Amino acid sequence: DAGVIQSPRHEVTEMGQEVTLRCKPISGHNSLFWYRQTMMRGLELLIYFNNNVPIDDSGMPEDRFSAKMPNASFSTLKIQPSEPRDSAVYFCASISQEPGELFFGEGSRLTVL
Amino acid sequence: AQSVTQLGSHVSVSEGALVLLRCNYSSSVPPYLFWYVQYPNQGLQLLLKYTSAATLVKGINGFEAEFKKSETSFHLTKPSAHMSDAAEYFCAVSDHNQGGKLIFGQGTELSVKP
Repeated sequence: DAGVIQSPRHEVTEMGQEVTLRCKPISGHNSLFWYRQTMMRGLELLIYFNNNVPIDDSGMPEDRFSAKMPNASFSTLKIQPSEPRDSAVYFCASISQEPGELFFGEGSRLTVL
Repeated sequence: AQSVTQLGSHVSVSEGALVLLRCNYSSSVPPYLFWYVQYPNQGLQLLLKYTSAATLVKGINGFEAEFKKSETSFHLTKPSAHMSDAAEYFCAVSDHNQGGKLIFGQGTELSVKP
């Protein structure tokens, strides 16, 4: 089992650039979550999908952030334009059949200069 | 709204000593409660979970937690700390109707001294 796969693991970009983070959930998991982790705010849920449909995007900070899940095996989180305050580790997680047992990817560390 | 509060952002213990990490929750419905561990530069891993079965829950690596409704607590313990337990620990809550959505506490960093 390959686990949740995220790419890139590290990204350094300049303010104003578009950033796309990618996630491949575990096969057979039907819910996918995007979290952001910072020292100041801890782990924040940005958005989650169930059966590829966005269910709750109330955590998405602003219109610069968007997320898609075109099929059961792929999701993207896009930031356009990026700002220094977006610097964080972004985690993707998918859920097994049991409630709450999230499986996390290793994260994408984003630095916006 | 559901929430969890972890008391103490940093806990330091000696190797072999008791580990106690505190978590209190707020929920209007019977909650599911979880402890996750995060090692440096990695994602979170599930340690244990409470889903309204036994109130004392045993997890991996010798950790356990007890659900106490009267105290709205779900503290994590381990009788004897190992150096390898040094990590950040997160308490989380969800309810039965949120499709797996977890709300995490701020985390407690555990240091283990030789």
